[in-house]
This record gives sequence, C-alpha cells and structure tokens, in this order.
Amino acid sequence: GAVVSQHPSRVICKSGTSVKIECRSLDFQATTMFWYRQFPKQSLMLMATSNEGSKATYEQGVEKDKFLINHASLTLSTLTVTSAHPEDSSFYICSAVAPGQGGPFGTQYFGPGTRLTVL
Amino acid sequence: KQEVTQIPAALSVPEGENLVLNCSFTDSAIYNLQWFRQDPGKGLTSLLLIQSSQREQTSGRLNASLDKSSGRSTLYIAASQPGDSATYLCAVNTNAGKSTFGDGTTLTVKP
Repeated sequence: GAVVSQHPSRVICKSGTSVKIECRSLDFQATTMFWYRQFPKQSLMLMATSNEGSKATYEQGVEKDKFLINHASLTLSTLTVTSAHPEDSSFYICSAVAPGQGGPFGTQYFGPGTRLTVL
Repeated sequence: KQEVTQIPAALSVPEGENLVLNCSFTDSAIYNLQWFRQDPGKGLTSLLLIQSSQREQTSGRLNASLDKSSGRSTLYIAASQPGDSATYLCAVNTNAGKSTFGDGTTLTVKP
C-alpha cells in the first residue's frame, strides 16, 4: 500500500523556537495533504488542508500565522510551528490522499506522526 | 457539522471473546468510513475502509459494517487476542476529503 513518512518522529524544543515537520508521500503524488493534531487521550482534530501550489485551508480556531503550511511539491508538505509554546506540545499527524482510489479524493494514508514537546 | 461518537470509550475482555465496537455519525452524507488502530504513542494503522455504497468489509478476524442511513458502523473482532489491545478509531470522510474522528475505544484483551 501507499506509504507516507514524517520527519522528525520526535522533537523537543525550547519555548519560542520554531519547529518544522515534514510529511512525504513516498510512492504516489498527493495534491492534497491534511494535518491533524492529537492531544493526550483525545482524538485527532483536523488543523488544515494543504493543497499543492496554493494556500492551505485552516480549520476554525487554528492560527494560520502560527502553523505555517507549505505544500511545495506533489510529494511534500511541511508544517512549521512558529514561536512554539508548551501548549503546542502534541502529536502531529499528516495524511496524504492517493488519487484514483475510490473516487476524486481517493484514500487517505496517514503518516506515523511527530511527537512535539515544547519545554 | 459532522460529529462522530464511539461507544464504549473503554472495553476490557478476556482472550478469545468476540466483541463489537460501535461508531455513530450525525451527517449521513459521507464518502467513506475508515477504522483505524492506534497503539500508545504511535500513529494510525488503517484496518478497514468502507465506501458509502458498501455494507461491509472483512479482513481476517475483523469485519466492519456500515449503515449510512442510520449513521452507524460497527467493528466486529472475532476471537480476540492480547495483541488486539489498542485504541480503535472510527473516521468519517466527506467527499471534500476531510476526516472527522471519533474519540476512540480503548480495548484491553486479557490473557
């Protein structure tokens, strides 16, 4: 099946620094990728939709200036958490949509997640 | 706004039991529904994907059903094993490509 990778898998940073997380579709091109956030013992919440070559679409309540998304190619989307604070500590998971499987938006394949800890 | 509810929140069973996990959603205009497994601190493992036009999907000891009109899906696990212990998430996907997740059911299978 399709593979999506994330890098890094785990990052610890100091408050006030910026952290970049990469999401790559390894064996297919993804025009659409999604970023989710999961707090401990809670489910995944969609943060934003990343579209190749255009601006990301953010869900209500998600600060676009804090969570910068760049989808510069059909296989790579990046999420940058700017000026990170302890409350941004979370598990960030991306997904990529493989075209041609099950319809216009195909099937979502999820990355393994990135654990961010802000001290 | 789509809302997804999973019942029960937690379940503990002895090894060998058959069990059913429930997922309900409020908006029946879904594109497909997906069941995932998540181990503690790990990412998601896709178990079964049911398209809106399908009634069920089977993979090994797992069987997922979908009743779109009533907004329900069930995940049936036969002959449970300790290795099945994990959190099971139900996700409802729209044709816009967005997923709405339930809060999950945490399953513990005791040896």
